[in-house]
Amino acid sequence: DAGVIQSPRHEVTEMGQEVTLRCKPISGHDYLFWYRQTMMRGLELLIYFNNNVPIDDSGMPEDRFSAKMPNASFSTLKIQPSEPRDSAVYFCAVCGGVRGTEAFFGQGTRLTVV
Amino acid sequence: AQSVSQHNHHVILSEAASLELGCNYSYGGTVNLFWYVQYPGQHLQLLLKYFSGDPLVKGIKGFEAEFIKSKFSFNLRKPSVQWSDTAEYFCAVTSSGGGADGLTFGKGTHLIIQP
Repeated sequence: DAGVIQSPRHEVTEMGQEVTLRCKPISGHDYLFWYRQTMMRGLELLIYFNNNVPIDDSGMPEDRFSAKMPNASFSTLKIQPSEPRDSAVYFCAVCGGVRGTEAFFGQGTRLTVV
Repeated sequence: AQSVSQHNHHVILSEAASLELGCNYSYGGTVNLFWYVQYPGQHLQLLLKYFSGDPLVKGIKGFEAEFIKSKFSFNLRKPSVQWSDTAEYFCAVTSSGGGADGLTFGKGTHLIIQP
């Protein structure tokens, strides 16, 4: 199993543009999380899904952020329009949901909005 | 809501020194506790975890952590650090009452080991 795969690894875009981050999770893991990492705020949980259904999106900073999980093998995080303060590393992670199960992280997407 | 506090944002040690990184959590119920490590330019990897049983947990690379329920703490320790331990360390908590509920992370501790 190749693990959690995120694309792109790096994204540089201009303010106002739409950005789509992609995640291909490990099969057999029912929970999928999107995190954002910055120097100022550390790791923040943005949203998580269980069996493809969004459970808690209270961490999504604004309406400009949206996430989808159309099936068990794919999820997207979209920012529209993007702003410089969205610059961060975005991680996708999965876990099985069983008590004590660890989370497996993707390599992250480093987003820079100029 | 659960929260995690890591006391030291930056720690600088010499090789062979002993390490202890503090972690306190806030949650009213029973919890699962984790320490993750993030090496420069890499993703987070699990160091160790606690969900029940012996409160002293041993992980990879000689790390261990002790769960002290009365203090809501889960401090990470290593008796003798190496240069390769330079990384960011994150403590995390999730409720153990069914479902993932989202891992809540501390802000991390940046550990630098000087040769």
